[in-house]
Amino acid sequence: DGGITQSPKYLFRKEGQNVTLSCEQNLNHDAMYWYRQDPGQGLRLIYYSQIVNDFQKGDIAEGYSVSREKKESFPLTVTSAQKNPTAFYLCASRQGAVYGYTFGSGTRLTVV
Amino acid sequence: DAKTTQPNSMESNEEEPVHLPCNHSTISGTDYIHWYRQLPSQGPEYVIHGLTSNVNNRMASLAIAEDRKSSTLILHRATLRDAAVYYCILSRTYKYIFGTGTRLKVLA
Repeated sequence: DGGITQSPKYLFRKEGQNVTLSCEQNLNHDAMYWYRQDPGQGLRLIYYSQIVNDFQKGDIAEGYSVSREKKESFPLTVTSAQKNPTAFYLCASRQGAVYGYTFGSGTRLTVV
Repeated sequence: DAKTTQPNSMESNEEEPVHLPCNHSTISGTDYIHWYRQLPSQGPEYVIHGLTSNVNNRMASLAIAEDRKSSTLILHRATLRDAAVYYCILSRTYKYIFGTGTRLKVLA
C-alpha cells in the first residue's frame, strides 16, 4: 500500500546536537511538507517542497534545514540552533492544490 | 493566508449526529474546503473536502453555505472512535494553514 513513512517514531537528542528525521513516500506525490506540533496546538509549517531540488521556508524555519534530492524523500534536520526542539514532527505529501494531504505517523523528538 | 474559525471544543452523545461548524469569511472563489481529524499522537487523517456543492463520503458529509463563508462537517452517528481534533482548512495555495481545530468529545 502507498503511504508515508516517518522514522524513528521516538527520538531523543542531547542539547547541542543535530538530528535528522526521515520521511519517505511511495505515493509519487510532487509536494512534501514538514510540520511541527506542540502540545494542545495546531500544526505549524516548517518547510515545504513542490518539486525535487527545490524547497521553501514555512512559518518557523529557523533552526531547521531540509533537502529534496529525490522525489520520494524529504529529510528534516533539527540543528543546534533550534532553541526549543522538543515537539511532535509530522511529514506530509500531496499531489496538487486540490487534493488532500497524506500524513505520516509522526516523530516525537525530545531534548534531554 | 486564508483563516478559518472553529469552536475550541464540542461534546456529543454516542450514536447521535454531530455538526461541527467552521467560518471562513475570507474564502476566495478557488479555495477548496478541507477537513481533517487527528487522534492523539497520530498524524491528521483526511475526512472530506469540497468546493461549492455539498459532499458525502463514507466517513462524513460536508455542507457548504451558499455564500461559501461557512461550512459544517456532519458525522451522522458519532462513535467513541470519532473523538478527535477536527481541523477545517482552506486550500488556497500549495500549503495549508492549520488552526487549533475543534476537540470533539463523544460521551458513551
